[in-house]
Amino acid sequence: AQTVTQSQPEMSVQEAETVTLSCTYDTSESDYYLFWYKQPPSRQMILVIRQEAYKQQNATENRFSVNFQKAAKSFSLKISDSQLGDAAMYFCARLDSKLTFGKGITLSVRP
Amino acid sequence: NAGVMQNPRHLVRRRGQEARLRCSPMKGHSHVYWYRQLPEEGLKFMVYLQKENIIDESGMPKERFSAEFPKEGPSILRIQQVVRGDSAAYFCASSPPTSGKGTQYFGPGTRLLVL
Repeated sequence: AQTVTQSQPEMSVQEAETVTLSCTYDTSESDYYLFWYKQPPSRQMILVIRQEAYKQQNATENRFSVNFQKAAKSFSLKISDSQLGDAAMYFCARLDSKLTFGKGITLSVRP
Repeated sequence: NAGVMQNPRHLVRRRGQEARLRCSPMKGHSHVYWYRQLPEEGLKFMVYLQKENIIDESGMPKERFSAEFPKEGPSILRIQQVVRGDSAAYFCASSPPTSGKGTQYFGPGTRLLVL
């Protein structure tokens, strides 16, 4: 099975600090997309950021950016200036023929 | 512009009953996907539909589960003769009519509890 792996079950960050969430994936396709979704306690799935595999430039959305290493099949999410509202589960996902999710990581933010 | 709508948000069924979960995609979206999330796990793909067509049902259990997306009305995920193991959050997502690699936008989910 072609998997998406989030090896850290949980992380904690001090408010206003920076944190990086790791993700690796496996795929045999050349055309695919990668996503980070946030799931707060409400359990709504919220799109954080998207990366097209054919683009070399790392995607950025305000305080959220990715480090996409295609050869290593690595797709980490960096959250800068962490805020209390960033506390949630974060899921990495790969879209090729279908959207496949990792198991998620629980991020807590310390005030 | 309303997002993806799902109802009901919470559904309680007894073992052996039927569960019907509804999903209305975002305006202009013609692709619908259903996912299941068990506690402490990520979402697992179940089925991908377009209007009146099932495109990929490789994640659907072989028995008791069915899905449809009729020409008019919402997409329906139907679970017959529910068992306790069906208790989960069921999410619907939609994407615009692109090549199939469009970003998927999720509804709020339906929490199914089987007693």
